[in-house]
Amino acid sequence: GENVEQHPSTLSVQEGDSAVIKCTYSDSASNYFPWYKQELGKRPQLIIDIRSNVGEKKDQRIAVTLNKTAKHFSLHITETQPEDSAVYFCAASQGSNYKLTFGKGTLLTVNP
Amino acid sequence: SQTIHQWPATLVQPVGSPLSLECTVEGTSNPNLYWYRQAAGRGLQLLFYSIGIDQISSEVPQNLSASRPQDRQFILSSKKLLLSDSGFYLCAWSVQGGFEAFFGQGTRLTVV
Repeated sequence: GENVEQHPSTLSVQEGDSAVIKCTYSDSASNYFPWYKQELGKRPQLIIDIRSNVGEKKDQRIAVTLNKTAKHFSLHITETQPEDSAVYFCAASQGSNYKLTFGKGTLLTVNP
Repeated sequence: SQTIHQWPATLVQPVGSPLSLECTVEGTSNPNLYWYRQAAGRGLQLLFYSIGIDQISSEVPQNLSASRPQDRQFILSSKKLLLSDSGFYLCAWSVQGGFEAFFGQGTRLTVV
């Protein structure tokens, strides 16, 4: 089955700096890669996703890149703000009607 | 619009007692349904997923079971809880043929 590795497990940055979280996956059939943000005690919520026919996707301060050959994808957050502090999860699946396999999460702390 | 309801929000149960967590989705038909467990506030472990009534797949052998008595209702059960069953349980759904998973608010279970 699919295995998703996520690094780093914790990340601390100063407000205004950029943050990068990286994930690798094992199943070459995976073609959908979402990123979820989970604030303390709350449900995970989708912040951005990418499909395998696209190499990069941006939404304001966040962007995701995908390298299918190397089987890795990354989340980039620019101009970080304290409200970006949360646990971020990457995930992978083979697409619609397939289960999502999650990474173990990255605790991002943005220091004012 | 679609909504997902999960209850209870918190639960404290003694070891050896039974468990029943309920999840319902409104505003859609024939959703894919999922149960995840999150231990120690981090990784999301898929426990069960269902692509239709009476179609439930178990991901991890354990003393938990899942049932889908109605199209939009997903129940997580146990006959006898273990201390190791403590955690944050999240129900999620996705549209048939869709990609994104939407999470319920979660149930924090403490087995004492």
